[in-house]
Amino acid sequence: ETGVTQTPRHLVMGMTNKKSLKCEQHLGHNAMYWYKQSAKKPLELMFVYNFKEQTENNSVPSRFSPECPNSSHLFLHLHTLQPEDSALYLCASSQQRGGEQFFGPGTRLTVL
Amino acid sequence: GENVEQHPSTLSVQEGDSAVIKCTYSDSASNYFPWYKQELGKGPQLIIDIRSNVGEKKDQRIAVTLNKTAKHFSLHITETQPEDSAVYFCAAHYGQNFVFGPGTRLSVLP
Repeated sequence: ETGVTQTPRHLVMGMTNKKSLKCEQHLGHNAMYWYKQSAKKPLELMFVYNFKEQTENNSVPSRFSPECPNSSHLFLHLHTLQPEDSALYLCASSQQRGGEQFFGPGTRLTVL
Repeated sequence: GENVEQHPSTLSVQEGDSAVIKCTYSDSASNYFPWYKQELGKGPQLIIDIRSNVGEKKDQRIAVTLNKTAKHFSLHITETQPEDSAVYFCAAHYGQNFVFGPGTRLSVLP
């Protein structure tokens, strides 16, 4: 079991709902990441935070809004999603930016 | 930018046989190549990695080889066991990010 936890593990939401995904790392790492994992596609990097500062936004639509209140917690706020946003959302952390990444178990998101 | 291809997309082997998964990358600047294993309902977990100054690395039943000239690297699993069944991802470190391959679903048949 890794030191990265994610809640909820499963989420079903309508297109007009607002929900948030939570990630917490207990490893003392300084960098945190959000990835989207769709079937038969490579992991897509969405956002990167380093020392609580967002350092990368990989052309992600504004209906996804990240928040990093401290180095241990990372949120992904979801609003007005589309069915094609259904995927597994993975959080990861690393000691330093670009270092070995440790992944959480993911949140399986279904948008109806 | 970097592009990582991975083959095959699915692989079935008999228990005890070997499995080989191959990846190619496009940017010669990449210098670190991890392999991840993802079991059902779990996130990817690092199983082995290799840096560009090394040609081969081994850890018990798994090994990784790197050919910098050809820009490809491979994962080798020997004496496969049912618990090796999972999706395996290769990745290449590019800039400050990792670019991942699309994954290989390995099934080890008893």
